[in-house]
Amino acid sequence: DAMVIQNPRYQVTQFGKPVTLSCSQTLNHNVMYWYQQKSSQAPKLLFHYYDKDFNNEADTPDNFQSRRPNTSFCFLDIRSPGLGDAAMYLCATSRDPTGTYEQYFGPGTRLTVT
Amino acid sequence: GQQLNQSPQSMFIQEGEDVSMNCTSSSIFNTWLWYKQDPGEGPVLLIALYKAGELTSNGRLTAQFGITRKDSFLNISASIPSDVGIYFCAGQLRRDDKIIFGKGTRLHILP
Repeated sequence: DAMVIQNPRYQVTQFGKPVTLSCSQTLNHNVMYWYQQKSSQAPKLLFHYYDKDFNNEADTPDNFQSRRPNTSFCFLDIRSPGLGDAAMYLCATSRDPTGTYEQYFGPGTRLTVT
Repeated sequence: GQQLNQSPQSMFIQEGEDVSMNCTSSSIFNTWLWYKQDPGEGPVLLIALYKAGELTSNGRLTAQFGITRKDSFLNISASIPSDVGIYFCAGQLRRDDKIIFGKGTRLHILP
């Protein structure tokens, strides 16, 4: 089945130790998004790629970076995780941001910072 | 920034009851989406709405795009235990805009 896959599902990292979360998709969608979701809150968009074009949200900290080496994969790098970065990180895809705007989410990676 | 007001924040119902929740905004939206999120999982798209007045069903779920384009409603009929979760509305102001999420409605079903 076509889907959005996130690995790992659970990630523990130490304060200040860089961590990378990965997302892959078999939907062949043009757009890939990264969201941060804290407990009992709505997902918050960090950035997205439209093909190779990177679009950062104005309030996304510099500590968060992303890479999209090809259509299928997208990575979220947290350079120096703080305790406040502990959250669920959701990857989503959509076919085209200018047409019907249905985003499909992966299962998420829950990040713990110790 | 733009906000969606989703209500109620939480609901406690008996199995078999019907459920209604809604999302409102002061702005006109081009698209409305309804998602359900189970604990520890990503949101799953339930229904997408693209035209004012549109009424769309997905099994026991029915959603409507409000005539004013400033609101949307989701109804669940004859609730069952697996309906438990958080329901998010999301909207898009213009076709090339990011989507904006409501704060969610947490649905509980009493034993």
